[in-house]
Amino acid sequence: EIVMTQSPATLSVSPGERATLSCRASQSVSSNLAWYQQKPGQAPRLLIYVASTRATGIPARFSGSGSGTEFTLTISSLQSEDFAVYYCQQYNNWPSLTFGGGTKVEIK
Amino acid sequence: QLQLQESGPGLVKPSETLSLTCTVSGGSISSSSYYWGWIRQPPGKGLEWIGCIYYSGSTYYNPSLKSRVTISVDTSKNQFSLKLSSVTAADTAVFYCARLKPSSAYWGQGTLVTVSS
Repeated sequence: EIVMTQSPATLSVSPGERATLSCRASQSVSSNLAWYQQKPGQAPRLLIYVASTRATGIPARFSGSGSGTEFTLTISSLQSEDFAVYYCQQYNNWPSLTFGGGTKVEIK
Repeated sequence: QLQLQESGPGLVKPSETLSLTCTVSGGSISSSSYYWGWIRQPPGKGLEWIGCIYYSGSTYYNPSLKSRVTISVDTSKNQFSLKLSSVTAADTAVFYCARLKPSSAYWGQGTLVTVSS
């Protein structure tokens, strides 16, 4: 089973600053990696798939990079609506999925 | 517009079977493009994939839950269902149903199921 590890667990950032979130896979998942955003009381929303492609309607300030075992989600200039929990998810053996533990982005 | 709605008991007793149904509207569950899945989230914790099903009936389960999980589909009702047996308090969670493919994901709003006597 592939284990996904996200860091840090919590990231404190000021509005307008850049946020960089990391996700590591226990073995290569190629580019079969997605990122989700979840706000309190809401279902997760797909942001990024195949490691770097933005889903429909996702603003350009969200970008993903990486392949193999190391991945990064960057939010270039944090807006108030971006404070949330972010999850990475691998789907290298689609349709089997594994989520990371999440990174909470909070206001500094 | 596609909508997914989870339904089922909000309270289940320990050792019993949790049963949930996801009703799909605004789209066909028989579409060949998607899988239909269940994901859960214990209060204050992260997401756990439970399993998914294709409209043909092929199923895929999380190995850690496989012995207790059954997912089925009813194309005539445009629904798919989850059964989780021998539940304990550790199974208390918000359960989401979702339409899945690598490039898109559409989730229901989720339903809280509490396991307690």
